Amino acid sequence: GESVGLHLPTLSVQEGDNSIINCAYSNSASDYFIWYKQESGKGPQFIIDIRSNMDKRQGQRVTVLLNKTVKHLSLQIAATQPGDSAVYFCADLPHVSNNQFYFGTGTSLTVIP
Amino acid sequence: EPEVTQTPSHQVTQMGQEVILRCVPISNHLYFYWYRQILGQKVEFLVSFYNNEISEKSEIFDDQFSVERPDGSNFTLKIRSTKLEDSAMYFCASVRGGNQPQHFGDGTRLSIL
Repeated sequence: GESVGLHLPTLSVQEGDNSIINCAYSNSASDYFIWYKQESGKGPQFIIDIRSNMDKRQGQRVTVLLNKTVKHLSLQIAATQPGDSAVYFCADLPHVSNNQFYFGTGTSLTVIP
Repeated sequence: EPEVTQTPSHQVTQMGQEVILRCVPISNHLYFYWYRQILGQKVEFLVSFYNNEISEKSEIFDDQFSVERPDGSNFTLKIRSTKLEDSAMYFCASVRGGNQPQHFGDGTRLSIL
């Protein structure tokens, strides 16, 4: 079956530092990936996505890198702020026909002021 | 910005009772989903719904579960006879089309006593 996992369950960074959150996926046919942020008591919130024909995509303070060779995805947050504290998880879409995403377990990011 | 809304935010139910969780997806979206998240665990897919019928369901979505779109706006998840292990956050999500990020509601916390 499909599995999407993250390398670290928790990550603590100092405010102002850059954060890197990693994710591995297993299905080489996946061609669409999303990073979500989940704050306590809230639903997952879309951060950034990337399609398999790209290896890098940038947003506001966030960058997603995709390495299809090793089936690895990362989220980089620049100048991490206290408001970035949340659980981050990746999701991939192996089969566009059913639009069914598979989610990783998540990395809990804590920003230390 | 349009949102997915879910009600109630918290539902407490006796084991064996029926429960209905309600969702109002974003109005021009065509695909609808229910997910479950047990405390501290990853988001798990339950069911997807398109064109007024179930398109995919997971092994979690057994005969105790059903979904309905009774009118043009609501999307409901019914659990017929709740069990203790049904206690979790239940998230509704919707998306306009393929290869696009799903938009999540803030969830219903279901507590089975």
